[in-house]
Amino acid sequence: AQTVTQSQPEMSVQEAETVTLSCTYDTSESDYYLFWYKQPPSRQMILVIRQEAYKQQNATENRFSVNFQKAAKSFSLKISDSQLGDAAMYFCAYRRGPGAGNMLTFGGGTRLMVKP
Amino acid sequence: EAQVTQNPRYLITVTGKKLTVTCSQNMNHEYMSWYRQDPGLGLRQIYYSMNVEVTDKGDVPEGYKVSRKEKRNFPLILESPSPNQTSLYFCASSDNRDGYTFGSGTRLTVV
Repeated sequence: AQTVTQSQPEMSVQEAETVTLSCTYDTSESDYYLFWYKQPPSRQMILVIRQEAYKQQNATENRFSVNFQKAAKSFSLKISDSQLGDAAMYFCAYRRGPGAGNMLTFGGGTRLMVKP
Repeated sequence: EAQVTQNPRYLITVTGKKLTVTCSQNMNHEYMSWYRQDPGLGLRQIYYSMNVEVTDKGDVPEGYKVSRKEKRNFPLILESPSPNQTSLYFCASSDNRDGYTFGSGTRLTVV
């Protein structure tokens, strides 16, 4: 079974600074997807960024980027120029590849606080 | 607007009183699922459905039931709720190509 681990229950960052959230996962498969979701106090689950395992290039979305290390099974999220609105719970998630089912396996989450 | 609608948003009930949390999606997705979120554990899958009349257990199915009579609806049923089912519940739907669309969550308290 796949597992996803987020080793940092809480992180804090100064506004305008950069922060990196860690995520590791365990799988025996070669084709899969990885995601970062943001959950603000409104509870809504918002997709931040997505990475296909077969792609070597790291995904980026504006101020959000990932460092995907397939051999190390590591998938960290970097937030640049942090803003107050980035304060939220962040979840790393794993999904098996096409045709292998749609279940998302989540890590335990990291609470990010942004200091003004 | 593409969305997953779940109701109610908040629910307080007593032990043993049957309840249903509704979930509906308007994206014609075949796949739907229910998750519960607990502190430190992230989201864990309760049940999922690959299509109409096709459902299966996730990681934590005990104490829950689901049904999928129509493609758009996937209700979660607690026949006899207990305090350990106090949690935040999410319904989600997905196509086979991309990520999930989540509902806005149901905060359930069982006293």
